[in-house]
Amino acid sequence: GAGVSQSPRYKVAKRGQDVALRCDPISGHVSLFWYQQALGQGPEFLTYFQNEAQLDKSGLPSDRFFAERPEGSVSTLKIQRTQQEDSAVYLCASSLILAGGRDTLYFGPGTRLTVL
Amino acid sequence: AQSVTQLDSQVPVFEEAPVELRCNYSSSVSVYLFWYVQYPNQGLQLLLKYLSGSTLVKGINGFEAEFNKSQTSFHLRKPSVHISDTAEYFCAVSVRSNDYKLSFGAGTTVTVRA
Repeated sequence: GAGVSQSPRYKVAKRGQDVALRCDPISGHVSLFWYQQALGQGPEFLTYFQNEAQLDKSGLPSDRFFAERPEGSVSTLKIQRTQQEDSAVYLCASSLILAGGRDTLYFGPGTRLTVL
Repeated sequence: AQSVTQLDSQVPVFEEAPVELRCNYSSSVSVYLFWYVQYPNQGLQLLLKYLSGSTLVKGINGFEAEFNKSQTSFHLRKPSVHISDTAEYFCAVSVRSNDYKLSFGAGTTVTVRA
């Protein structure tokens, strides 16, 4: 079956531009996550949805970052007025019911964002 | 807050040789522990996880890891590697009270040579 898909796979933005990154989770998965992976680092938690409810957004670096999942399936991570420090790979993951130890996370291939 | 240290950033190894990837964590509360693998141009994939019970955990592709509470370690091992094991490996931890949030190490790149 289809896994988690993300689009675009690569995005180049000029500093100050707004970008939108899309995540299509596995069909029927309740939980959805966004992680940010800087070059040479491990992924860092950004935000967590359970269906359409955003239960934790504590990892979002600034108020320029906004995520939504309005119908409880597809999610979009939006970054306004991009800065060079936003350059990273943005990973989306989903799980069937609960997250973490009790359920397996399935990751997408990521969107590599480069801000010039 | 919990954190993870992967002690080796790069591990070169010959085909059919054993490999061990070291992972230490810090946390003041009980944790769950994970190893993920990332093949080139693919998403992270779960290799194995420790939730409770036996400290020796077996995962996919012949990998295993041992949880050592006293040393706060969760080292990953494989007795004989293949070329196809060339990938980046990430150790991760979550606290049991907030287990949806994973904290990852910086990763270990394993390169298997013939």
